[in-house]
Amino acid sequence: DAGITQSPRHKVTETGTPVTLRCHQTENHRYMYWYRQDPGHGLRLIHYSYGVKDTDKGEVSDGYSVSRSKTEDFLLTLESATSSQTSVYFCAISVPGPGASETQYFGPGTRLLVL
Amino acid sequence: GESVGLHLPTLSVQEGDNSIINCAYSNSASDYFIWYKQESGKGPQFIIDIRSNMDKRQGQRVTVLLNKTVKHLSLQIAATQPGDSAVYFCAENTGNAGNMLTFGGGTRLMVKP
Repeated sequence: DAGITQSPRHKVTETGTPVTLRCHQTENHRYMYWYRQDPGHGLRLIHYSYGVKDTDKGEVSDGYSVSRSKTEDFLLTLESATSSQTSVYFCAISVPGPGASETQYFGPGTRLLVL
Repeated sequence: GESVGLHLPTLSVQEGDNSIINCAYSNSASDYFIWYKQESGKGPQFIIDIRSNMDKRQGQRVTVLLNKTVKHLSLQIAATQPGDSAVYFCAENTGNAGNMLTFGGGTRLMVKP
């Protein structure tokens, strides 16, 4: 998993509670991403970060916030979880590849169930 | 908006046969493409990539072909094995500032013993 860990790996929570997911990388790459994966929708970008304290919204950012206070950690927070946020969440890092391309590598995922 | 898509949601092949998974893209500005493999309960795993200045790239048992004229990408797996059973995604990068990828919906490859 390219030195990427996610915690927790599984989480069950109730509607209205806050939830924070953590992504940790060991290689100090600049770009980090949070995706959600749902049947019929594939991978959709929630937020991404291009450096410490530098973040931007993705395709499905409503209801989510992120923070990056250290290069190695990227946190995803659901301020008040809803059932529609039940999903599998993947973190990814962008690693320089051939030429000017950058390849994304993914963590193992977090399964979140909101009851 | 422009997106990456796949022609077949499920592909079933016999063990030992070759597999071909296809992907169509519509963004002519895309200059980098990646194939991922995702096994059940795991994160997507990088398989092979190709830049737009290439037509073909080979890896171990896998080959990616890029046809820019018709905006088509394919992944060929030689001598398909049961361990190749998974969902395969293509992804494109348009060279945007955030290095963001656009993903296809995925094709499930099932290998029959």
